[in-house]
Amino acid sequence: GDSVTQMEGPVTLSEEAFLTINCTYTATGYPSLFWYVQYPGEGLQLLLKATKADDKGSNKGFEATYRKETTSFHLEKGSVQVSDSAVYFCALTAGGYQKVTFGTGTKLQVIP
Amino acid sequence: SQTIHQWPATLVQPVGSPLSLECTVEGTSNPNLYWYRQAAGRGLQLLFYSVGIGQISSEVPQNLSASRPQDRQFILSSKKLLLSDSGFYLCAGADNNSPLHFGNGTRLTVT
Repeated sequence: GDSVTQMEGPVTLSEEAFLTINCTYTATGYPSLFWYVQYPGEGLQLLLKATKADDKGSNKGFEATYRKETTSFHLEKGSVQVSDSAVYFCALTAGGYQKVTFGTGTKLQVIP
Repeated sequence: SQTIHQWPATLVQPVGSPLSLECTVEGTSNPNLYWYRQAAGRGLQLLFYSVGIGQISSEVPQNLSASRPQDRQFILSSKKLLLSDSGFYLCAGADNNSPLHFGNGTRLTVT
């Protein structure tokens, strides 16, 4: 079945550091890929998405590129802020938006 | 775009008591609806999903049930809560034009 593997957290960075959160996937067909963010005590918000190979999703300074050859969708940001502290989930859906498979989430803590 | 409403935001219930969590959707028709559970420090577990009124698919055997009495209403229930039912419950919806949108969740503590 479909699966998503994320790097274990927590990740602790100083403000303005470079962020990478790794995500790899296994899926049949051609999945769409997503990053969701969950701030403390809240639901998940869609951060960015990519629907086909080589697409780059971007939002709020975050980027991720759909790499079919390495089955990866790593999340990056050039300079993190304290307000980016949250849990980040990589996810995929294959065959429309019927069911979404999530990774286990990576907690990011940014310290001033 | 669609908006997912969930309530209550927090709930403390004794073991053996019933449960009813409600989710409603605005801004779309005939969405796919989902209930997820997030246990402390863990990822998201899909509990139920529904592609239409009265159509419920269960992903894992458990003490909970779901119902969809109206197109934009999705209810999570239990007849008798267990301690292990504690967690953060998230309702989500998706349609053909958009990926999953989540509600703000319900924090359930079973004591």
